[in-house]
Amino acid sequence: RKEVEQDPGPFNVPEGATVAFNCTYSNSASQSFFWYRQDCRKEPKLLMSVYSSGNEDGRFTAQLNRASQYISLLIRDSKLSDSATYLCVVVSGGYNKLIFGAGTRLAVHP
Amino acid sequence: DVKVTQSSRYLVKRTGEKVFLECVQDMDHENMFWYRQDPGLGLRLIYFSYDVKMKEKGDIPEGYSVSREKKERFSLILESASTNQTSMYLCASSKRTPDIQYFGAGTRLSVL
Repeated sequence: RKEVEQDPGPFNVPEGATVAFNCTYSNSASQSFFWYRQDCRKEPKLLMSVYSSGNEDGRFTAQLNRASQYISLLIRDSKLSDSATYLCVVVSGGYNKLIFGAGTRLAVHP
Repeated sequence: DVKVTQSSRYLVKRTGEKVFLECVQDMDHENMFWYRQDPGLGLRLIYFSYDVKMKEKGDIPEGYSVSREKKERFSLILESASTNQTSMYLCASSKRTPDIQYFGAGTRLSVL
């Protein structure tokens, strides 16, 4: 079983839609979580950290469910510019390393 | 802004060649990392370094070595390139561990 698993997608949604991605992780000792965004043929860039209480940044909301060991990313009012691959990142409890999911691809169309 | 610079965007090498990938960061970060990214597999950690002249193996170190002679520079070396090392290579740095990592633009390496 992979340490971090994501639905690869693609998620094809129209502009203005709300879309949600989930990511599951296997190490219950994991402490820190992030969402990164990666545009086609570009490097990953931090989108947002994920806090235990959940956090929101504009149209983006991240949630953590420790009991079920998953994190989620909700995007409201999707824009064409949101088209990208979204990487779930978990800090591995035993080694303090960042473990990256394979990513979920989002395609927003007019 | 944090800047992580990788020396080449694209490289084409032949099987058996020795390959050097260079990475430089300008934010005085302690930690530097080398990943490779392949479709469906995500980013996999090859090596990382917490300090000058210090290195630790990641999840897939076989066939690779690294060098960190200066704080700002972290080099990845393929001693004898093989076709299964064709991939996108990404360098990253962070101030602390664990912490947000900042990535370079990547080097797309093709080994023929």
